[in-house]
Amino acid sequence: KQEVTQIPAALSVPEGENLVLNCSFTDSAIYNLQWFRQDPGKGLTSLLLIQSSQREQTSGRLNASLDKSSGRSTLYIAASQPGDSATYLCAVRPANRGSTLGRLYFGRGTQLTVWP
Amino acid sequence: DTAVSQTPKYLVTQMGNDKSIKCEQNLGHDTMYWYKQDSKKFLKIMFSYNNKELIINETVPNRFSPKSPDKAHLNLHINSLELGDSAVYFCASSQGQGPRASGNTIYFGEGSWLTVV
Repeated sequence: KQEVTQIPAALSVPEGENLVLNCSFTDSAIYNLQWFRQDPGKGLTSLLLIQSSQREQTSGRLNASLDKSSGRSTLYIAASQPGDSATYLCAVRPANRGSTLGRLYFGRGTQLTVWP
Repeated sequence: DTAVSQTPKYLVTQMGNDKSIKCEQNLGHDTMYWYKQDSKKFLKIMFSYNNKELIINETVPNRFSPKSPDKAHLNLHINSLELGDSAVYFCASSQGQGPRASGNTIYFGEGSWLTVV
């Protein structure tokens, strides 16, 4: 069964710092990996999706990398801002295996606080 | 425009009651999901429907019954509510499933906060 782990569970940094959030997964047979952002009382907003054949994806100040063979992904946030404060969730979509069809397995998230 | 909308956003009810949460997506997607986020913020899939057909039925008590009248709607009905059902329930949608749809992003609604007292 796929298990997704995110480290650290919480992170507090001053504004302007570059930071890295880590995600690891136990089964490398995945189709893609997705990073989400969750604000308090809100739903999930998709940030980046990396296909299993890709190594990284970039969107603005965000860069996500994927090393499928080692079961790891990182989300790099450049020049962090207070508005980046949220919980960041990593989720993997396993390769089709009957009952796993279409589902995402989530980590428990990294709660990020960026202070001015 | 809200892509995936679910109602109600907040629901407080007594044990033993029956309640429903409705979900609609206007993205033209053919696959919809219900996820549950527990008190420890852990998100786990409950159900998945593709073109109104049940695809995933996770180990969920049969007090939970999803209904998909059409591919734009996936409602969740819960019978005989228990304290442990208190959680945030997220509806989501995506286009397709499987290898051909592996690159498709899943879009989530804003969640329904259910509190059973």
